Amino acid sequence: RKEVEQDPGPFNVPEGATVAFNCTYSNSASQSFFWYRQDCRKEPKLLMSVYSSGNEDGRFTAQLNRASQYISLLIRDSKLSDSATYLCVVNSPGTASKLTFGTGTRLQVTL
Amino acid sequence: DTGVSQNPRHKITKRGQNVTFRCDPISEHNRLYWYRQTLGQGPEFLTYFQNEAQLEKSRLLSDRFSAERPKGSFSTLEIQRTEQGDSAMYLCASSSRDTPYEQYFGPGTRLTVT
Repeated sequence: RKEVEQDPGPFNVPEGATVAFNCTYSNSASQSFFWYRQDCRKEPKLLMSVYSSGNEDGRFTAQLNRASQYISLLIRDSKLSDSATYLCVVNSPGTASKLTFGTGTRLQVTL
Repeated sequence: DTGVSQNPRHKITKRGQNVTFRCDPISEHNRLYWYRQTLGQGPEFLTYFQNEAQLEKSRLLSDRFSAERPKGSFSTLEIQRTEQGDSAMYLCASSSRDTPYEQYFGPGTRLTVT
């Protein structure tokens, strides 16, 4: 089983739609969770951290369910500029600061 | 520009040759990471430095790979006797002591081994 699993997509949605991505992780001892965004042929960039209570940043909402080892990202009112690959990222317990990345979910927002 | 920089941006080499990549992290960051990314995959951790000390190495890092960060600032990643399977994007990232998981990535070096 992969340490971090994501649906690779692509998700094709019209502008203005709401879209949700899911991710599961295998190590129950993981404590830190993130979503990174990666544009085509660019480097990954931190989008947001994911907290146990859930957190929101503008149109983006992240949720964590520790019992199910499940992380989600909700994007409301999708923009063309949201088109990218969204990487689910989890820390590797027992390591100083190693991150484990999922394969990413590709989002394409269309007119 | 105060972000992470990497050189070269692209490298084409013949199988069997040695290559070296350089990473300059954000100046106030004491942690530096190397990752490898292939098409359709997320970045895979290779190694990590805290200041000049190399504290972790992935099993992915065979003995043909070596990384250094001699003065705790820039880092180099060398691949000896390159193989076609080494073709990938090599990403460098850095982070501060206070927020080690908030890693800032450089633009990467794309290696093609022919």
